[in-house]
This record gives sequence, C-alpha cells and structure tokens, in this order.
Amino acid sequence: EAGVTQFPSHSVIEKGQTVTLRCDPISGHDNLYWYRRVMGKEIKFLLHFVKESKQDESGMPNNRFLAERTGGTYSTLKVQPAELEDSGVYFCASSPYLGGGAHEQYFGPGTRLTVT
Amino acid sequence: GQQLNQSPQSMFIQEGEDVSMNCTSSSIFNTWLWYKQDPGEGPVLLIALYKAGELTSNGRLTAQFGITRKDSFLNISASIPSDVGIYFCAGRNQAGTALIFGKGTTLSVSS
Repeated sequence: EAGVTQFPSHSVIEKGQTVTLRCDPISGHDNLYWYRRVMGKEIKFLLHFVKESKQDESGMPNNRFLAERTGGTYSTLKVQPAELEDSGVYFCASSPYLGGGAHEQYFGPGTRLTVT
Repeated sequence: GQQLNQSPQSMFIQEGEDVSMNCTSSSIFNTWLWYKQDPGEGPVLLIALYKAGELTSNGRLTAQFGITRKDSFLNISASIPSDVGIYFCAGRNQAGTALIFGKGTTLSVSS
C-alpha cells in the first residue's frame, strides 16, 4: 500500500510569488491534515479535511493560505503571496474513517518551502 | 492554546546507552503519541497510548501515559546508530482531531 505522498519535495520561491503544494493521502483515507514545522519549532496544525469538507481550519495562519480537496482525494495548499515567515516544512497526514476506535495519522515526507 | 514541553531538546549518547525523554502539558490529553522523524522523511508513529497509566513497549522502546494525563515519557534501551533522528511527542483530545506536538528531541548516537 502506497503511503502519503507530497509534491514537490523542495520549493524555493521569492517573496511575493505563489506556490502550490500537493498531497496525495493513502487511498481510502477520509481524513487529511496539513501541518507545518518552522525550523526549530514544533509541528503545528494547519487544517483538517474530512473527505472534501474542511472540518477544522483553526490553524491556518492567514488568508494568504488556501487549501482545497476537490473530490475528496488529493489536496492542495496554496500560498499567495508568499512571505519570508512562510518558510518551513509542510507535512500532510491522513487517517481512515473515525468509526470503531482510534485511527492514527500517517505522515508524508513533507515539502520544504524556502521563501527568499 | 495547548502546548507541550518536550525535553531534552537534544541528546548525544554512546551506542548501547539507554535514553529517556519526556513531555509535559498544562492541560490533559486523552491520547499520547510518540513519533520519530528521519532526515528527509515525515514523522513515523512509534507508540500510541490511550489510557492514563498505560505502559506500552515496541521493541527497545517503552512509553508511558502519565497518571495525571498531563505527561508522557519515552525510553529507548540499548541505543544503536539507527536510533538517530528527531523524536516528537504529540497529544490529542479526541480521535480524528488535530495533534499537538512538542518541539522534538534530537538524538545523536556515536558508535
């Protein structure tokens, strides 16, 4: 079974540009999460999809970040326009449906975003 | 919001030594998790704890869910070079909700 995949693995952009990150969750996983780790700090939650619906977007930093999950499969996270403080590693995680016990989150390898 | 205090921040040990790291919180959690991140990879789940007082092992790893539900520790026995990486604790209040992570413990093992 393929794991969570993310694209690209690295992205270097200039301040003011736009970047779109993609996450493909494990097939059949309804729950999809985005997290971010700024260097040296903790991994912080950004938002949570259940299928195509945003369940919780309380961690989104501001309106320069837009996440979508059309069709309830893969998800994109767009940053527009990017600022220096957006640099970090963006992780995607997925987990199966919630019924019948705890289901833990499986993480992708992350996208390292550098804004210069 | 809820925060986790993870310590130590880094550890430098000799191969064969035992390691201990812990996380504390000012508020309670219903689930404690321990992840390991290798360079260039995402966090991989090592141990999940669901009940206060629970002690769970996974090979050379042992983790406990504190009785107060505000802390957890992870022990690694007889460390080997492949134990090198960043270890994160994470807490959660409800299944399916967001994880709250500690800042990580970077482990270095010299042979």
